[in-house]
Amino acid sequence: DAKTTQPNSMESNEEEPVHLPCNHSTISGTDYIHWYRQLPSQGPEYVIHGLTSNVNNRMASLAIAEDRKSSTLILHRATLRDAAVYYCILRGDNYGQNFVFGPGTRLSVLP
Amino acid sequence: GAGVSQSPSNKVTEKGKDVELRCDPISGHTALYWYRQRLGQGLEFLIYFQGNSAPDKSGLPSDRFSAERTGESVSTLTIQRTQQEDSAVYLCASSSRGGYSYNEQFFGPGTRLTVL
Repeated sequence: DAKTTQPNSMESNEEEPVHLPCNHSTISGTDYIHWYRQLPSQGPEYVIHGLTSNVNNRMASLAIAEDRKSSTLILHRATLRDAAVYYCILRGDNYGQNFVFGPGTRLSVLP
Repeated sequence: GAGVSQSPSNKVTEKGKDVELRCDPISGHTALYWYRQRLGQGLEFLIYFQGNSAPDKSGLPSDRFSAERTGESVSTLTIQRTQQEDSAVYLCASSSRGGYSYNEQFFGPGTRLTVL
């Protein structure tokens, strides 16, 4: 399985931007980069995904390095509700039907 | 519309008993996944159903674990002769298009299983 590496934890102040990094140096050309997050006591929820170009949606932005070996999830203005575990996942034809979730990054948002 | 639902939300059982966990996917979603999440850890894939195709059971940890799905509707995960190491949150997810690199999975709230 292609592995992703994320910091175990990060902290942010409320209403400030947050940049969550992910390294995926073994990514292959057809792998999509997905981000999910898991709020306390809930199942994961989809945040964003991309292939090569940067992506924006109502929740976040995804910045993908030119060589695709790393990406950054950007929350433009953190709120207390954004405190969660954020998972960076590679999804491609070689990985079967499942998502491989690592331990993720636990984001704390301070008021 | 309604999301993925799972029942029960909590289940406490004694070692050696059998348990059944239920998942109701989003209507019309052809793909259904089961995952296990131990305390403080990431998700472990268990099994995947896509329409009427044979399920991908490659993640089931032992023959005590089995799952069924009738068509594109409800799925049941059964754990026989439960062990304490089976204690975890069991998560179900569904997707409108399984097997594609860009598909999004919608997760249920999970069933927390505690084996005493």
